[in-house]
Amino acid sequence: AQSVTQLDSQVPVFEEAPVELRCNYSSSVSVYLFWYVQYPNQGLQLLLKYLSGSTLVKGINGFEAEFNKSQTSFHLRKPSVHISDTAEYFCAVTSDSSYKLIFGSGTRLLVRP
Amino acid sequence: EAGVTQFPSHSVIEKGQTVTLRCDPISGHDNLYWYRRVMGKEIKFLLHFVKESKQDESGMPNNRFLAERTGGTYSTLKVQPAELEDSGVYFCASSPGRMNTEAFFGQGTRLTVV
Repeated sequence: AQSVTQLDSQVPVFEEAPVELRCNYSSSVSVYLFWYVQYPNQGLQLLLKYLSGSTLVKGINGFEAEFNKSQTSFHLRKPSVHISDTAEYFCAVTSDSSYKLIFGSGTRLLVRP
Repeated sequence: EAGVTQFPSHSVIEKGQTVTLRCDPISGHDNLYWYRRVMGKEIKFLLHFVKESKQDESGMPNNRFLAERTGGTYSTLKVQPAELEDSGVYFCASSPGRMNTEAFFGQGTRLTVV
């Protein structure tokens, strides 16, 4: 069975500081990995995805993530955050054998001025 | 192009009542999914339609939940009778092909059972 762990439920950070949101997964098969973001009062929006190829994936709004198979991680990073990045971020996994997305419990990013 | 639309955005009902949530997927998307997030926990899969057929309903909590997708267009999720533990945010998503390409999510319906 697949699972996703987001260890940090909340990450406070000052504006213009770098941030890393951690995601670890477990799976016995090849995986596809996603980061979704939910801004206040909005739906889930895809930030980026890893399907295959380069392990460094760039997404929207300056975010990027690196797939590390040996460490079963897919951490999300941004070198300099803005107030507008305040939102909840979800890591998710699926595979070729499943249509389901398995989500982590989410990380609230709180950007302070 | 319109995105995935869910109605209502919020619903507050009493325990024992019935509630029906609706999802309009992106036009042309054969795949439609329902997910639920109970307060503070992870978003969990409920079920998956391909057109009007249920492909996987392994995540449905119990027989108080009934999902339909008549004609392969919009979908409804009915909870009857509602219980307190049904409270949460219900998300709908649609995709044109395999889920691992990209799923488009709606804004969700926040259901509160009191």
